[in-house]
Amino acid sequence: GDSVTQMEGPVTLSEEAFLTINCTYTATGYPSLFWYVQYPGEGLQLLLKATKADDKGSNKGFEATYRKETTSFHLEKGSVQVSDSAVYFCALSDPPSSGGSNYKLTFGKGTLLTVNP
Amino acid sequence: DVKVTQSSRYLVKRTGEKVFLECVQDMDHENMFWYRQDPGLGLRLIYFSYDVKMKEKGDIPEGYSVSREKKERFSLILESASTNQTSMYLCASSFFTSGTETQYFGPGTRLLVL
Repeated sequence: GDSVTQMEGPVTLSEEAFLTINCTYTATGYPSLFWYVQYPGEGLQLLLKATKADDKGSNKGFEATYRKETTSFHLEKGSVQVSDSAVYFCALSDPPSSGGSNYKLTFGKGTLLTVNP
Repeated sequence: DVKVTQSSRYLVKRTGEKVFLECVQDMDHENMFWYRQDPGLGLRLIYFSYDVKMKEKGDIPEGYSVSREKKERFSLILESASTNQTSMYLCASSFFTSGTETQYFGPGTRLLVL
């Protein structure tokens, strides 16, 4: 079945440091890939997404590129801020044309990022 | 803006009680979901619904049931709460477009079962 593996945290960085959170996936077909973020005390919200190979999703200075050859979707940001402190979830959706359910997301376990001033 | 609301942010119940968690979305989404979130386990899907009165089991449905009588409302029911159901419960909704599934989440209900 589908699965998502992301690097275990916690990750602690200083402000303006470079961030990478690794994410790899296993899927039956050609999934769409997502990064969700959960700020303290809140629900999840979509950060960015990519729907086909070589697509790059970007938002708020974060980027991730859909790499089919390495089945990866690593999250990067060039200069983190204290306000980026949150839990980050990688997720995939496998649409029905390739055998997956068109309703469900499969999530990784989440990576806690703490950014210190 | 899409808004998903959950009836309570915090809830404390006794073992054996029947517990109702309510979720309402205001964007006319077809799909609604219930997850539980536990440290080190991420999000796990309990149930989802793709239409009124339609439901499907997710990955961990045991001990839970759901109800969707109206399109905007999706309820999670713990028939007889147990301490291992202490968790954060997240509701989400989505509108199926182009094979991508952007889900919109509520703020969560943190449930403590004593």
